[in-house]
Amino acid sequence: QITLKESGPRLVEPTQTLTLTCSFSGFSLTTEGMGVGWVRQPPGKALEWLALIYWNGNTYYSPSLKSRLSITKDTSKNQVVLTLTNMDPVDTATYYCAHRDFGEYHFEYWGQGTLVTVS
Amino acid sequence: QSALTQPASVSGSPGQSITISCTGSGSDIGHYNYVSWYQQHPGKVPKLIIYGVTYRPSGLSSRFSGSKSGSSASLTISGLLAEDEADYYCCSYTTSGTLVFGTGTRVSVL
Repeated sequence: QITLKESGPRLVEPTQTLTLTCSFSGFSLTTEGMGVGWVRQPPGKALEWLALIYWNGNTYYSPSLKSRLSITKDTSKNQVVLTLTNMDPVDTATYYCAHRDFGEYHFEYWGQGTLVTVS
Repeated sequence: QSALTQPASVSGSPGQSITISCTGSGSDIGHYNYVSWYQQHPGKVPKLIIYGVTYRPSGLSSRFSGSKSGSSASLTISGLLAEDEADYYCCSYTTSGTLVFGTGTRVSVL
């Protein structure tokens, strides 16, 4: 059974750096093909894909946010960390992490999401 | 990369069929068969309903079906039920190795 859960600050001040942790179980990021991605959703707006990290350490970022984003993994803790620098009120959103399976490019398993407010 | 284009809203009566379009480009939908669709009820986590253009996750109703033609994809909901009222998002893998979501469609059951 795959589960994911996001954790981090609920309130961030403008210009600060946001650090979110995704803790997961039911799979390992040392297994070939596995990946964890991040998606966000501002209140009342659409989903926006942010980043993806694969078992082999390869990372991919949204082109529009690439300069501000970083995604890393800690396989010993079954965690993935997303950082977003220079936070702005427009970055207020619910941030989700999700599981990517071998050879697939969709997310079947999602965390519950965490609302981050920039103010 | 620009978000995939979806109609803002689609509505239908119970029992009817509706189709939601998702328009991309040759760098995403037009290049791969990695189109997925998500259903999201208010305040809830997105739920995968279609992947690989046409495949349904195990246990998902066959009332949901997907297709693709060129750089556009579609989601059809047949036998519309009140519980289908939700937001729907398409998503595609891209030639840059990234993913891109659609603008979202609000489905209303009249």
